[in-house]
Amino acid sequence: EPEVTQTPSHQVTQMGQEVILRCVPISNHLYFYWYRQILGQKVEFLVSFYNNEISEKSEIFDDQFSVERPDGSNFTLKIRSTKLEDSAMYFCASSESASSYEQYFGPGTRLTVT
Amino acid sequence: ELKVEQNPLFLSMQEGKNYTIYCNYSTTSDRLYWYRQDPGKSLESLFVLLSNGAVKQEGRLMASLDTKARLSTLHITAAVHDLSATYFCAVENQGGKLIFGQGTELSVKP
Repeated sequence: EPEVTQTPSHQVTQMGQEVILRCVPISNHLYFYWYRQILGQKVEFLVSFYNNEISEKSEIFDDQFSVERPDGSNFTLKIRSTKLEDSAMYFCASSESASSYEQYFGPGTRLTVT
Repeated sequence: ELKVEQNPLFLSMQEGKNYTIYCNYSTTSDRLYWYRQDPGKSLESLFVLLSNGAVKQEGRLMASLDTKARLSTLHITAAVHDLSATYFCAVENQGGKLIFGQGTELSVKP
């Protein structure tokens, strides 16, 4: 069964450093999402991406964040200068279409900023 | 702004008992999803509810959607320990983004 994959599974970085989280969505999916979950809290939407551009972004997704689809398979989330409060689990998701289609979530990347 | 609220947030059940988790949301939507999350793991899709009156069942879990009341329920029948997890409802907003509830942490004890 096709699945969304994410690397790395755990990333430890120092405050102020740049990190890139990588995702490989399901191959025939066209819509891509990033969500984050701070430990013990709910899952929060960060950004949606379609046709090589951002469709929507949340207030959390400020100028420190960017997304890219550098090739036909990868979807990346970059945090330019990490803060302590960026420590969270980051989930990538993909779906065939924007609406009424199930979003499939990857296993997540746990980001720890020290 | 769409808000999604679940209750209860914590639920301790005995095996064999029935219970219901409620998911209320604040603005019109007819697309609602239920996910299960085990500790430290990703989100596993349980149910996709796409219309008013939708009811879906899988094993001991049954989900329903009432779009007029802006309410979804996840009913657990004869709980077993394997159902211990955190359950999230998520409402689809325009453009496909999901707005999640706070989650219900379910613990099923023998």
